[in-house]
Amino acid sequence: DAMVIQNPRYQVTQFGKPVTLSCSQTLNHNVMYWYQQKSSQAPKLLFHYYDKDFNNEADTPDNFQSRRPNTSFCFLDIRSPGLGDTAMYLCAAEPAGTSYEQYFGPGTRLTVT
Amino acid sequence: AQSVAQPEDQVNVAEGNPLTVKCTYSVSGNPYLFWYVQYPNRGLQFLLKYITGDNLVKGSYGFEAEFNKSQTSFHLKKPSALVSDSALYFCAVRDVASGTYKYIFGTGTRLKVLA
Repeated sequence: DAMVIQNPRYQVTQFGKPVTLSCSQTLNHNVMYWYQQKSSQAPKLLFHYYDKDFNNEADTPDNFQSRRPNTSFCFLDIRSPGLGDTAMYLCAAEPAGTSYEQYFGPGTRLTVT
Repeated sequence: AQSVAQPEDQVNVAEGNPLTVKCTYSVSGNPYLFWYVQYPNRGLQFLLKYITGDNLVKGSYGFEAEFNKSQTSFHLKKPSALVSDSALYFCAVRDVASGTYKYIFGTGTRLKVLA
């Protein structure tokens, strides 16, 4: 059973056209993450939420925004995608406490043309 | 600064042979170490972790890893490789020292198991 769900799995958008990626989790975990992963490179953390507390990485472009309206859902908004934003975007959820394991969704492959 | 190194971009092994995927780390304080696997067009899947306790950690799909403090290594192993083990493997350390608990991932090692 899917625990972290990402929609859509594949998204094509035009240069400069805003796009929203969505993530939902059935785990009821406090922490949610968004990562960007380019061509089999290591995932790069964009930001994360601890409950409603938002934590932005220092090198995350301003073009990337996020919303978490409730525990289950988290969105990644790219306001004006550039060609360099073509990547896999991974969402992950983690329970608060000492498990330290993250549960990843299958990812959304975004192509900017 | 916390860091993780995976010295091999790719490892090839014949099916049925033992496999090792190497990882070394550099951390301040006690290491929180992880292995994740990624199949094509999928997210990362947790394999195993070392936080404390026995140096030999057993994980999913028959994988295990040995924590070696003196060599600062956490190599992933499996006694008998399967073709279905072919995937991208990431070693990671949690950045506990900074208080952020973020994952620091290695660059990944592509494992190819040949039939």
